[in-house]
Amino acid sequence: QSALTQPASVSGSPGQSITISCTGTSSDVGGYKYVSWYQQHPGKAPKLMIYEVSNRPSGVSNRFSGSKSGNTASLTISGLQAEDEADYYCSSYTSSSTLVIFGGGTKLTVL
Amino acid sequence: QLQLQESGPGLVKPSETLSLTCTVSGGSISSNSHYWGWIRQPPGKGLEWIESIYYSGSTYNNPSLKSRVTMSVDTSKNQFSLKLSSVTAADTAVYYCVRHGAAPAPTQYYFDYWGQGTLVTVSS
Repeated sequence: QSALTQPASVSGSPGQSITISCTGTSSDVGGYKYVSWYQQHPGKAPKLMIYEVSNRPSGVSNRFSGSKSGNTASLTISGLQAEDEADYYCSSYTSSSTLVIFGGGTKLTVL
Repeated sequence: QLQLQESGPGLVKPSETLSLTCTVSGGSISSNSHYWGWIRQPPGKGLEWIESIYYSGSTYNNPSLKSRVTMSVDTSKNQFSLKLSSVTAADTAVYYCVRHGAAPAPTQYYFDYWGQGTLVTVSS
C-alpha cells in the first residue's frame, strides 16, 4: 500500500495562513471521511490535530482546520505562530486490508 | 489522564526478535471502546502502523508485517506487548504505543493517545 502524498516542506511568516495537501486515491482519502492529521515536534510523539476530515479534538486551537475535495485532503493553519513549526502527517482509512496509511510528512517552517 | 509508556531493549541483533511492552496508566486496557496498537517511525522518515489488539486478544494487522508480528495483552498488568521477529536494519525505528477506537465507531481510524516512543536499533 503506497503512502499518501504530501509536500516535503511548506513555509510561512507569522500571522499568515498555510495549507498542507494530502493526496490519495478513491480507495482511501477520496472514498471515506476518515482523514486525520498529526503534528510532531522534534523528538516528540505525534499529536492528533484533526480527525474525520475536519473535526478538532478538545484543546486544539481553532487556527487548525481540515477539509477534503476529491482525493485530496488539506490542513490549513491560520495566524501562523512560531510554535506551529513542526512536521505534519496526514492519515486515512484505506479499503485495503491495512487499517490506516500515512502520508510521508510535511515540514512546516515559520519564517 | 491516560498515559502510555513503552519499555524494552534499545538494541537488538539482526535476525533476533524485538520485544516491547506498553504500560497503560490512568485508564483501563479492558475498555470495550478501544484498541491498543503500535506505530513505528524510522529515523528521519514517516509513520507506519504495525498492528493493534483488543483486550480480548483480537487483532488488526498490517499485511506488510503480519508474518513477523505477534501482539499480546495482559489485562492484569494493564499492559500490551509487541514481538517482531527476524529483524533487520530496516526495522530500526522509534516505536510508539497508541490507542484508537474500536469498530464500528469512526474513532477506530485515528490515534488519540501516544506514548513518548522508544528507539530500537537493530545492529550487531
